[in-house]
Amino acid sequence: EADIYQTPRYLVIGTGKKITLECSQTMGHDKMYWYQQDPGMELHLIHYSYGVNSTEKGDLSSESTVSRIRTEHFPLTLESARPSHTSQYLCASSESASGNNEQFFGPGTRLTVL
Amino acid sequence: QKEVEQNSGPLSVPEGAIASLNCTYSDRGSQSFFWYRQYSGKSPELIMFIYSNGDKEDGRFTAQLNKASQYVSLLIRDSQPSDSATYLCAVNELGSYIPTFGRGTSLIVHP
Repeated sequence: EADIYQTPRYLVIGTGKKITLECSQTMGHDKMYWYQQDPGMELHLIHYSYGVNSTEKGDLSSESTVSRIRTEHFPLTLESARPSHTSQYLCASSESASGNNEQFFGPGTRLTVL
Repeated sequence: QKEVEQNSGPLSVPEGAIASLNCTYSDRGSQSFFWYRQYSGKSPELIMFIYSNGDKEDGRFTAQLNKASQYVSLLIRDSQPSDSATYLCAVNELGSYIPTFGRGTSLIVHP
């Protein structure tokens, strides 16, 4: 059973608000990822981290930022939310030592920006 | 440009039948191959991974890898309505920790 948590699970906010989506994992995994997924559509990688103080942007251009100050925590921040940010945000983690890099996903945050 | 191709479906099979899901990839340097299941409105969960040519079996699931032909497949035996979901294929190239995901195949198992 994967131990990766996301809060909040659902969020409805107004345009222009600053929000932070939380992601934590208790597995000690070194790598963490943020994906964006619209209903019925493919996963898009927006940020990833190979370890503490390491963050990179993914394939999908995003106005969000991330930080990795602690191994277990990888929050994603939107400084000024817009309706185009409405989507499902999925956090995942993986462990280099496994050699295969299988990813474990959190339950997701469904964000609606009005 | 690394690509992972899957037929979007839906693939419809009767209960008890074998469901066959296919995935092709473009990068010959790919090393690890994964199948994830995603129920509607939920997050993906890992079903199987495979990295050697041939078959790998886990219960009702069998992953098949053919690196020469650059395809990986997932067979689900004795399909159940609870298997109805979208199945995502993901591929990792050697030395990379960023998988490339396919768009997924929707599977419907009808009673």
